[in-house]
Amino acid sequence: LAKTTQPISMDSYEGQEVNITCSHNNIATNDYITWYQQFPSQGPRFIIQGYKTKVTNEVASLFIPADRKSSTLSLPRVSLSDTAVYYCLVGDDSNYQLIWGAGTKLIIKP
Amino acid sequence: DGGITQSPKYLFRKEGQNVTLSCEQNLNHDAMYWYRQDPGQGLRLIYYSQIVNDFQKGDIAEGYSVSREKKESFPLTVTSAQKNPTAFYLCASRLGSQGRSTEAFFGQGTRLTVV
Repeated sequence: LAKTTQPISMDSYEGQEVNITCSHNNIATNDYITWYQQFPSQGPRFIIQGYKTKVTNEVASLFIPADRKSSTLSLPRVSLSDTAVYYCLVGDDSNYQLIWGAGTKLIIKP
Repeated sequence: DGGITQSPKYLFRKEGQNVTLSCEQNLNHDAMYWYRQDPGQGLRLIYYSQIVNDFQKGDIAEGYSVSREKKESFPLTVTSAQKNPTAFYLCASRLGSQGRSTEAFFGQGTRLTVV
């Protein structure tokens, strides 16, 4: 099961684009990369998932280089409500044990 | 609305007492999970279940027990053997082998406090 490494914390300002990078050197061929957002005293919420290249949805983009050893979550034009902890996970449907790291605490300032 | 429901939201336990946390899902998911989260920490796996009547220990199963008699339900009992049970408990479910996805759905959590 691939482990992930993320920065412990990041700060940014409203209206900026924020990029959070996750390292996953041991990612397996079948693994997907998934990002979650968690607010205090709530369960994590799925943000985006990808396998390679670029994925975009209504809230974020996910960039995955060709070697897939890292991925970058991009949040466009953040607001104060984006202050949360962001987790990166790797695995596929055979990995019933999803490994959660400590995540990245993102603080958005006015 | 499909989803995953945990109850209660807050729970107080006296020392030496067993308590059971409820988790119900109507997403028709095969896999269900229980996690513990301590302040400022990530999620740690207590137990998981891939199918009905089957479950496996996670990293921190000591002092906890589970059952999976129905696909929709995966209750967690915190026993008196768990010496430090005060924490935030999260239940989750996944499609499992029905899809190549690591997307998990979480309940809103139960905050357990020992008094």
